[in-house]
Formats: sequence, C-alpha cells, structure tokens
Amino acid sequence: GQQLNQSPQSMFIQEGEDVSMNCTSSSIFNTWLWYKQDPGEGPVLLIALYKAGELTSNGRLTAQFGITRKDSFLNISASIPSDVGIYFCAGQIGGGTSYGKLTFGQGTILTVHP
Amino acid sequence: DGGITQSPKYLFRKEGQNVTLSCEQNLNHDAMYWYRQDPGQGLRLIYYSQIVNDFQKGDIAEGYSVSREKKESFPLTVTSAQKNPTAFYLCASSILTANQPQHFGDGTRLSIL
Repeated sequence: GQQLNQSPQSMFIQEGEDVSMNCTSSSIFNTWLWYKQDPGEGPVLLIALYKAGELTSNGRLTAQFGITRKDSFLNISASIPSDVGIYFCAGQIGGGTSYGKLTFGQGTILTVHP
Repeated sequence: DGGITQSPKYLFRKEGQNVTLSCEQNLNHDAMYWYRQDPGQGLRLIYYSQIVNDFQKGDIAEGYSVSREKKESFPLTVTSAQKNPTAFYLCASSILTANQPQHFGDGTRLSIL
C-alpha cells in the first residue's frame, strides 16, 4: 500500500517551545488529516485540510495542506504538558472503492518536559 | 452520547483460539473500519465496510474476518490463522461523502496467553 513518511519520529521539548512535524508522500491526496493519540486510547481528530495551500488553525495548532498535495505540516505553539502523545498524519484519496480510506504516517511521539 | 464503542478494552487469547472484537457506533455513519496498531508503527487497515452486508479487505486482512449485518455494528474476528495477533485494535467510522474524516473508538488490546 501507499506510504506516508512522517518526521520526526520523536521529539523531546521544554514546555513553552514550539513544535513542527510534517508528512510527505509520493502520491497526491485530496484530504490531509492530523490526529492525536493519548496512551491506551483511540486517535482524536485535531485538524482536517481539504484544499491545496489551505492553512487551518485550532487553538495553538496550525496545519497546512501542501501546494503539491503531497505533503502537510503541523505546528504546535507554546507547548504545554498535556500536548504529550502521538501525533499522526493521514491522507485520503477518495473515490471508488477507496472512498473514505486513509493512509497513516508512522506517528511522531511528543514528550514535553515541564 | 454519540460515539464509537469498542469492547472489551483488554482481551486475552489462547493459542489456536478465535476471538471476536466488538465495535458499535450510534453516529449513523455508513462506513466502518478496523485498524491494527503495533508499537512504533502507524495504523494499518485490516477491513472496511461502506455499506451493510458488504466489506473489503484492507492491507493486512489475512487471519482476520468481519461481518456487517447491521449499520451500527462491525465485529472483527481474529482467527487462529493470524500468527501474530498481539496488538492494539482500533475501530473507526465515517460519513461516506467526499473527504469526511474518520472518528475512532478507544481500542481493544489483544494479548496472547
């Protein structure tokens, strides 16, 4: 299946620092999604991007849909301890039997030191 | 409250046993999905269903089976043919219109005794 390359694999930061992570693909996607997963729980949707070049914010989170439609970025500003978790990007092509199917990145493990 | 309910939270299986994981949603979503998550890896799609009584294999369907007899329910059976079943299993659902995101349950952790 398709692969998404998500980086970095892990980050160790101090509280108050900004965080950036990204996903790249060899294929074009029509939708990019960013999820956060806390230990032992299911992923929760943070931001959905539907249009190339789109920049969307959700509180301290900002995500962008790359112009080429092959990448996406997530930034977290002024990190706090509750930002700890695993962040996943996911791309969706849509159409035909692939309708609704997502391809996930490997995840970025974020640790925030108080 | 509307949502996706997975049960049980923890499940233990003996070698050679089949086990069934439950997933129920009351969001009136058309599509449902099963994923497997292993440490350090992203989510891998096992099976998905876009409509009742129909489902398709995902990327790692071998050793698994599903049914979709009701819109609200999409149980996953881990068969004895799955040689490495220990993992965290996640169920998701979505509206089946253009580019609607998937929403996830809280998962079932399956371990082999």
